[in-house]
Amino acid sequence: EVQLVESGGDLVQPGRSLRLSCAASGFTFEDYAMHWVRQGPGKGLEWVAGISWNSGSLGYAVSVEGRFTISRDNAENSLYLQMNSLRPEDTALYYCVKDMSQQEGSSWPSWGQGTLVTVSS
Amino acid sequence: SSELTQDPAVSVALGQTVRITCQGDSLRTYYASWYQQKPRQAPVLVIYGANKRPSGIPDRISGSSSGNAASLTITETQAEDEADYYCISRGSSGNHLVFGGGTKLTVL
Repeated sequence: EVQLVESGGDLVQPGRSLRLSCAASGFTFEDYAMHWVRQGPGKGLEWVAGISWNSGSLGYAVSVEGRFTISRDNAENSLYLQMNSLRPEDTALYYCVKDMSQQEGSSWPSWGQGTLVTVSS
Repeated sequence: SSELTQDPAVSVALGQTVRITCQGDSLRTYYASWYQQKPRQAPVLVIYGANKRPSGIPDRISGSSSGNAASLTITETQAEDEADYYCISRGSSGNHLVFGGGTKLTVL
């Protein structure tokens, strides 16, 4: 059974940094692209960032490009999201998501339960 | 403005057929995927590719596309289908992904 467990969410002040982690199990992690998707309170889904199986291809939403960095450690079966210069509008539940293929697509059969990031002074 | 546009809300009578649409220029080039999200739950993939369903998704749910639009059709709608539905595809530049704003489906 695929399991994706996010951690690292917290209450942080604007301008500060935070690193999210996702521990993956139940599948061959190195064979699949991975993504971070977020959902603000009462809002819709927003794709944040994606990374190919071997980290050779990365993609970011315009809203986070230059501030967030996605990375993975295939040896540790882990996905990360380094978030810098956080803004109140980054407040959201952040989901770790498994792709169907090696390259970043939009077909994601497995989602974690999310970790909550709140940016407020 | 969103690159993918969805009607904010749609309603359907129990047992009837409903179509949820998603419009955007990138859909002329890329397929859309569709996700169902119920309150306080993570989204669930229901349609991907041209019209593929993951295992466990009933064949009452199907997808189609034409021109700059993609559609999700649910036949014999059940109470359990009441949820928010989101389309996603590549953005107009092709190097990022974008969700539609979501459609809240109410089953009457």
